[in-house]
Amino acid sequence: AQSVTQPDIHITVSEGASLELRCNYSYGATPYLFWYVQSPGQGLQLLLKYFSGDTLVQGIKGFEAEFKRSQSSFNLRKPSVHWSDAAEYFCALYSGTYKYIFGTGTRLKVLA
Amino acid sequence: EPEVTQTPSHQVTQMGQEVILRCVPISNHLYFYWYRQILGQKVEFLVSFYNNEISEKSEIFDDQFSVERPDGSNFTLKIRSTKLEDSAMYFCASSGSGAYNEQFFGPGTRLTVL
Repeated sequence: AQSVTQPDIHITVSEGASLELRCNYSYGATPYLFWYVQSPGQGLQLLLKYFSGDTLVQGIKGFEAEFKRSQSSFNLRKPSVHWSDAAEYFCALYSGTYKYIFGTGTRLKVLA
Repeated sequence: EPEVTQTPSHQVTQMGQEVILRCVPISNHLYFYWYRQILGQKVEFLVSFYNNEISEKSEIFDDQFSVERPDGSNFTLKIRSTKLEDSAMYFCASSGSGAYNEQFFGPGTRLTVL
């Protein structure tokens, strides 16, 4: 079955520290993967996407993600977190049938 | 930069009332979607729409829900008789020439059913 798992519900990091948010997927073919960020009360903003090619994908706001087929993972990283990065982050998978499947999200808290 | 817009941003209604949520997708897009996010939970797919018909719908999308593209620009979600559990943020999205293309999301409509 197609699914997206984000194992960490909450993550707290200090400002300036590095960040890695985990995402694991289950899909039978080459996946199309996305990371979205949602600030409180706001919509979904696309951070980055993976369709094919280079497995290290660069996105906006200094984020990057690495696709690892062997681990069925698409983890999101940022070398130095800013207080404004506090938000909820969703990993999503294109299902192959018109819809995205979202993970349950990881809420990021940034300590000053 | 083109964007998906949604109105209203917040809708409050009484249980049993009908609501219509409106979306204006990006103008040259061909695929349209509705998603729902109950407070504190993940985003869930409701329905996709292409070529003036539903392409896929989830089990959430029961007979109380309908979608329509009444003209060349709007895409609506109607809930015929709202229930308390319909309270959620509803996101509209659209994508271009391929269904696998990136979906662009609107800012959402927060629906509160009292």
